Amino acid sequence: ETGVTQSPTHLIKTRGQQVTLRCSSQSGHNTVSWYQQALGQGPQFIFQYYREEENGRGNFPPRFSGLQFPNYSSELNVNALELDDSALYLCASSLGDSNTGELFFGEGSRLTVL
Amino acid sequence: QQPVQSPQAVILREGEDAVINCSSSKALYSVHWYRQKHGEAPVFLMILLKGGEQKGHDKISASFNEKKQQSSLYLTASQLSYSGTYFCGTEVSGTYKYIFGTGTRLKVLA
Repeated sequence: ETGVTQSPTHLIKTRGQQVTLRCSSQSGHNTVSWYQQALGQGPQFIFQYYREEENGRGNFPPRFSGLQFPNYSSELNVNALELDDSALYLCASSLGDSNTGELFFGEGSRLTVL
Repeated sequence: QQPVQSPQAVILREGEDAVINCSSSKALYSVHWYRQKHGEAPVFLMILLKGGEQKGHDKISASFNEKKQQSSLYLTASQLSYSGTYFCGTEVSGTYKYIFGTGTRLKVLA
């Protein structure tokens, strides 16, 4: 059974640039959610995708967008990067469209914006 | 709206017990508990789905009081491996938004 994998693990961007982060969900899981975790803080929910549709979104501006593909892998895109976007971005996969199931997290992508 | 956890931080000696509380201002229908070690991803501990439900495995257990909108995590005879930050998590009722609690940093000393 393959776990949740994320890429890249680390990246550095400058303010104003755009970034794409990728996530492969655990085998058999059809739901992917994304979280932003600033240093010393808890994860903050960005959005969730279920069967290629966004079905839940946290308090993040539209420059945070995503996709889910037919194989249930997912991308997080962030445009017009700001310094405050520096954080660990976590992807989690689960089974089903509700959040009553266990979330399986990837190791995260650490983004630094200079 | 974010569930509040208490205490914010706790230091224990190996073998001591600890209780971490998670309180919400909104109705809770399910509660998850996760542990995150420094530099690692959160790891699922358990989920409680019904009010009054209690679960446990090994020496970690949890209870869920739906009426009081709170959950508690109990760590018994703590081990060094229990060190980390503990988060409760829940889905905001009627949405697919998921929120984590404020977190509790726990350190177990030898």
